[in-house]
Amino acid sequence: AQSVTQLDSHVSVSEGTPVLLRCNYSSSYSPSLFWYVQHPNKGLQLLLKYTSAATLVKGINGFEAEFKKSETSFHLTKPSAHMSDAAEYFCVVRSGSNYKLTFGKGTLLTVNP
Amino acid sequence: DAGVIQSPRHEVTEMGQEVTLRCKPISGHNSLFWYRQTMMRGLELLIYFNNNVPIDDSGMPEDRFSAKMPNASFSTLKIQPSEPRDSAVYFCASSSLQVYSYTFGSGTRLTVV
Repeated sequence: AQSVTQLDSHVSVSEGTPVLLRCNYSSSYSPSLFWYVQHPNKGLQLLLKYTSAATLVKGINGFEAEFKKSETSFHLTKPSAHMSDAAEYFCVVRSGSNYKLTFGKGTLLTVNP
Repeated sequence: DAGVIQSPRHEVTEMGQEVTLRCKPISGHNSLFWYRQTMMRGLELLIYFNNNVPIDDSGMPEDRFSAKMPNASFSTLKIQPSEPRDSAVYFCASSSLQVYSYTFGSGTRLTVV
């Protein structure tokens, strides 16, 4: 079984300040973890992925996430928010070789000028 | 690469009409997924194809929904007859399992009135 919990449904930050979007997961097997971003009325774009290599994963647009097995977490961070980062972010887990992706409920990121 | 291509982008139809959504996966990807996104339920997997064969259709809501993949470069999701509760954004995604990531199309926003 696999599941994902995104701890905040909405995060609001000021432009230029750090971003932290929290994600906890559960997985019966070694997980693959992903963060996807969805801009309004757009499709889902892959930001980054963890697949049992380095625990600190760097993605596009300055985002990164750290896989912490002991905490079953995969939080997404960015040092400095930009207005264009305003979107909905989804944490996603895949267990072992299971093809199924399980999506979190999403976190809406608002960036204030 | 043009990515996963879905058509139409928007579809408005009357209750009881047949609706067909189309998807062209990325060339070389051997897995194809149909997802539905609603405010209430988030992203749900409807059906999964591997090498053009339906592997898991347990997410298909009811017999009104059907999906086909006649060849490696084309898939359809059909709703007949459509109902207002089918209104949602439908995403197609494709994957090569060796790559461990899934590429999503831009989605089809379906409105049934």
